[in-house]
Amino acid sequence: DIQMTQSPSSLSASVRDRVTITCRASQSISNYLNWYQQKPGKAPKLLIYAASSLQSGVPSRFSGSGSGTDFTLTISSLQPEDFATYYCQQSYSLPRTFGQGTKVEI
Amino acid sequence: QVRLLGSGPGLVKPSQTLSLTCTVSGDSISSVGYYWTWIRQHPGKGLEWVGYISYSGSTYYNPSLESRLSILIDMSKNQFSLKLSSVTAADTAVYFCARDLSNSGGIYFDSWGQGTLVTVSS
Repeated sequence: DIQMTQSPSSLSASVRDRVTITCRASQSISNYLNWYQQKPGKAPKLLIYAASSLQSGVPSRFSGSGSGTDFTLTISSLQPEDFATYYCQQSYSLPRTFGQGTKVEI
Repeated sequence: QVRLLGSGPGLVKPSQTLSLTCTVSGDSISSVGYYWTWIRQHPGKGLEWVGYISYSGSTYYNPSLESRLSILIDMSKNQFSLKLSSVTAADTAVYFCARDLSNSGGIYFDSWGQGTLVTVSS
């Protein structure tokens, strides 16, 4: 199985801060990397697919980059509704695997 | 717009079989390129991929659950289901159904059900 490691596990930030979350795969996954946002009691929501493609309806302050083994999710200007947990996920091979999550807190 | 709605018992006794159903609306479950997936989340923990059934009926299960797991599809009802046998407290989790979309742009979970909390307890 491909292991996905996110860092940090949690971070504290303020509104309008620039936030960066990293995700590392245990082997090359090309650009088969997706990012999700999850709020308490809710299902995850797709933000970014194929490492850098913005899902329809997702604000442009979210962006993704990377390929191979190292990836980044950036929130350019944190908004109050962005406080949540973020997960990366590889779709290069089965079984699909997720990172452990990054909780973005005030 | 596709919608997924999970349903099933919220309480299952140890050693019994956990059964959940996901009803898909707004699209055909037999459309090419869709992989109908179950994902679970233990309380306060991260996401664990459980397995999928494809639009053609082929399945792939997480090796850690494979011996206890079945995922089935009912095209007449536009539903897919999960059956996990011999459950223990370690199977207590929120179970999400999701659509894994495979196209030229990538492979990703673009639609999710609301999640069903299943507690294993006597």
